[in-house]
Amino acid sequence: QKEVEQNSGPLSVPEGAIASLNCTYSDRGSQSFFWYRQYSGKSPELIMFIYSNGDKEDGRFTAQLNKASQYVSLLIRDSQPSDSATYLCAVNRGRDDKIIFGKGTRLHILP
Amino acid sequence: DAGVTQSPTHLIKTRGQQVTLRCSPKSGHDTVSWYQQALGQGPQFIFQYYEEEERQRGNFPDRFSGHQFPNYSSELNVNALLLGDSALYLCASSLYGAGGNYGYTFGSGTRLTVV
Repeated sequence: QKEVEQNSGPLSVPEGAIASLNCTYSDRGSQSFFWYRQYSGKSPELIMFIYSNGDKEDGRFTAQLNKASQYVSLLIRDSQPSDSATYLCAVNRGRDDKIIFGKGTRLHILP
Repeated sequence: DAGVTQSPTHLIKTRGQQVTLRCSPKSGHDTVSWYQQALGQGPQFIFQYYEEEERQRGNFPDRFSGHQFPNYSSELNVNALLLGDSALYLCASSLYGAGGNYGYTFGSGTRLTVV
């Protein structure tokens, strides 16, 4: 089992709809969780971090964390073509403070 | 306020050669982490430097080594290059102990191609 798993996609979502990106992790001791956006040929850019169960909202983005289910998600409301990118889920697994990344989900917003 | 800067941007090397990549962290940051990102994959942790010492290491062979200088800048060295070392090498900076909670700031990366 991989430490951080994401569906590689592509996930196609119509413009204006809600995009839902999911991530599971294997280490129950994981403490902090991150979503990065990476445009093709560019470096990752931090969108949000979350470390408490529940929802955290920032503009059009909402991160959701469920530690019991070892699941973290990112919702993007009112999706725009500029949201088309690869979204990387990353986890601080706690026991050694390493940040481990998933493979990423490619998101395509359809105009 | 300068972000994380990496050099060079692109590099082409021949198998068996050695390469050095450089990174200057964001102003105020003291910790540098290096990641390797192969095409279509997520970033893989190589190692982390703080106070001029390697603090953490991922599953990479000894051919990968690094250094951190008193001004917090860092180098990544790769010896005996293999074709499989072709990747985007990312430098991430943070404040020690905070990066694990608040995330890293990444540089623009160095694209290494081994031929």
